[in-house]
Amino acid sequence: AQSVTQPDIHITVSEGASLELRCNYSYGATPYLFWYVQSPGQGLQLLLKYFSGDTLVQGIKGFEAEFKRSQSSFNLRKPSVHWSDAAEYFCAVALYNQGGKLIFGQGTELSVKP
Amino acid sequence: GAGVSQSPSNKVTEKGKDVELRCDPISGHTALYWYRQSLGQGLEFLIYFQGNSAPDKSGLPSDRFSAERTGGSVSTLTIQRTQQEDSAVYLCASSPRDYQYNEQFFGPGTRLTVL
Repeated sequence: AQSVTQPDIHITVSEGASLELRCNYSYGATPYLFWYVQSPGQGLQLLLKYFSGDTLVQGIKGFEAEFKRSQSSFNLRKPSVHWSDAAEYFCAVALYNQGGKLIFGQGTELSVKP
Repeated sequence: GAGVSQSPSNKVTEKGKDVELRCDPISGHTALYWYRQSLGQGLEFLIYFQGNSAPDKSGLPSDRFSAERTGGSVSTLTIQRTQQEDSAVYLCASSPRDYQYNEQFFGPGTRLTVL
């Protein structure tokens, strides 16, 4: 069965430090991968997506992610975290041929220390 | 332009009552999805509509849950005889086309509390 794993439930980083959020997936074919962010009381906002081609994708708000097929991973990175990045981050796989419905990881809550 | 809207934003109900949650997708978007976000289960797919095709109901947790989409636009998720385990945030998303490259745009959600 398809699944997405985010091993870190909660991460705290200092403002200005670098960030990496981990995501591993289990899927029998080439996946379509997404990272979404959810701020308190807000809906989900798409940060970036990977469909094919260049394995390093750039997103909004200075985020990037790298697809590594050999490791079944799609980790999210940011070189310098801002206090406004505090939120919950979700990795997701889209099931193509099933209408594109998303399978989400459990989420990683990011806290930013001043 | 306007995004996906959902109403009500909050709903408190008593166990055993029926509730209706509404989603207005982005104009012109043909695909519509419902998800549920709860503490115990995370984000789960519930149901998917695309145009006039039969909906994909594979994620509905029980037959107390149903949804319809009228005129290819507004959708209503109905939960009958609510239970406490139905308490969650119900999210709606729409997408411009039935396409594996779709990007889903999410609404702010409806927080349902069953007492």
